Amino acid sequence: AQSVSQHNHHVILSEAASLELGCNYSYGGTVNLFWYVQYPGQHLQLLLKYFSGDPLVKGIKGFEAEFIKSKFSFNLRKPSVQWSDTAEYFCAVTRNTGGFKTIFGAGTRLFVKA
Amino acid sequence: GAVVSQHPSWVICKSGTSVKIECRSLDFQATTMFWYRQFPKQSLMLMATSNEGSKATYEQGVEKDKFLINHASLTLSTLTVTSAHPEDSSFYICSARGVGRATYNEQFFGPGTRLTVL
Repeated sequence: AQSVSQHNHHVILSEAASLELGCNYSYGGTVNLFWYVQYPGQHLQLLLKYFSGDPLVKGIKGFEAEFIKSKFSFNLRKPSVQWSDTAEYFCAVTRNTGGFKTIFGAGTRLFVKA
Repeated sequence: GAVVSQHPSWVICKSGTSVKIECRSLDFQATTMFWYRQFPKQSLMLMATSNEGSKATYEQGVEKDKFLINHASLTLSTLTVTSAHPEDSSFYICSARGVGRATYNEQFFGPGTRLTVL
């Protein structure tokens, strides 16, 4: 069955530290890949997305992600986190064949210490 | 562009009553809408997929008679939680997918509805 794995459930960093959140998916067909952020008490916001082309995708707020097809991975990175990045981050994978369907990872809760 | 709204944003109801949640695509036509449920500190779980004018497709384990979904127009889908019980308390999120190039390959999420059943 199709699944999305986020390896880190909780991450605690100090401000200015670098961030990398892992995301792997299990689906052999064509996929679209997304990272969403959910700030405390707020709704989902799209950070970035990958459909095709350059596998290094830049999103909002200084985030980027790299699609590595051979590893079925789409890791999220930020070189220097801020306290305001404290939030929950969700990786999501959408397949377009066999019916449009999006599967979300379990989420990674990031806490940035000031 | 591609804005999705939900109403109400929060609702408190008594056990045994029914609650209707609306999901609207404000500036695009949504041929497909999705309903998710998010428990505290958990991820989004897809409940059902609805295509305009046809019956919704429910995910395994989701009771179709309890969670009634209607997608009567290209801009509106409703989720009715029938005979709600405290265990139905959750955050319900809808998303929509359109037909145009800008809205076909991704979903646009509503702000969610927090349901509390007493």
